[in-house]
Amino acid sequence: DVRMTQSPSSLSASVGDRVTITCRASQNIDNYLTWYQQKPGRAPKLLIYAASSLQSGVPPRFSGSGSRTDFTLTISSLQPEDFAIYYCQQSFSTPLTFGGGTKVEVK
Amino acid sequence: QVQLVQSGAEVRNPGASVKVSCKASGYTFTSIYMHWVRQAPGQGLEWMGIINPNNGGTNYAQKFQGRVTMTRDTSTSTVYMELSSLRSDDTAIYYCARGDLMSTGYYFDYWGQGTLVTVSS
Repeated sequence: DVRMTQSPSSLSASVGDRVTITCRASQNIDNYLTWYQQKPGRAPKLLIYAASSLQSGVPPRFSGSGSRTDFTLTISSLQPEDFAIYYCQQSFSTPLTFGGGTKVEVK
Repeated sequence: QVQLVQSGAEVRNPGASVKVSCKASGYTFTSIYMHWVRQAPGQGLEWMGIINPNNGGTNYAQKFQGRVTMTRDTSTSTVYMELSSLRSDDTAIYYCARGDLMSTGYYFDYWGQGTLVTVSS
């Protein structure tokens, strides 16, 4: 199975900050990498697919980059509604696997 | 608009089975794969498997092989996930999620609201 490792597991930030979350795959997954946002009591929401493609309706302050084993999710200017948990997910091979999540908290 | 509406919360004893439903609307049901993902309390996301609503074909995660069965009813645009031999560590929110096979693999663009399954004696 492909193991997905996210870092950090949590971070504290202020509104307006630039936030970067990383995701590392245990093997080459090309660009088969997706990012989700999850708020308490809600289902995950698709943000980025194919490593860097922005899902329709997602604000452009969210961006993704990377390929092969190393990927990054960046929030250019953190907004109050962005405090949440973020997960990466690989779909290069089954079983599809997720990272452990990164909780973005208020500083 | 696309909607996935799941059945309500369930409580089961250890060793029992549970069947969760997910009714799809707003798109052609047979044209897009459906997945099941679960999330234990305070934990991360875990993929359980996929069903092709067109032909009923399935692919389950090895961890759940022999305990999970995914089916569909095209007449009602509903997919089902049945998990048997329940244990306490199966306590989780179970989500259905629509996810087609794209050029860069599967990603989940619509999710159900989740169904809490509690396993407790």
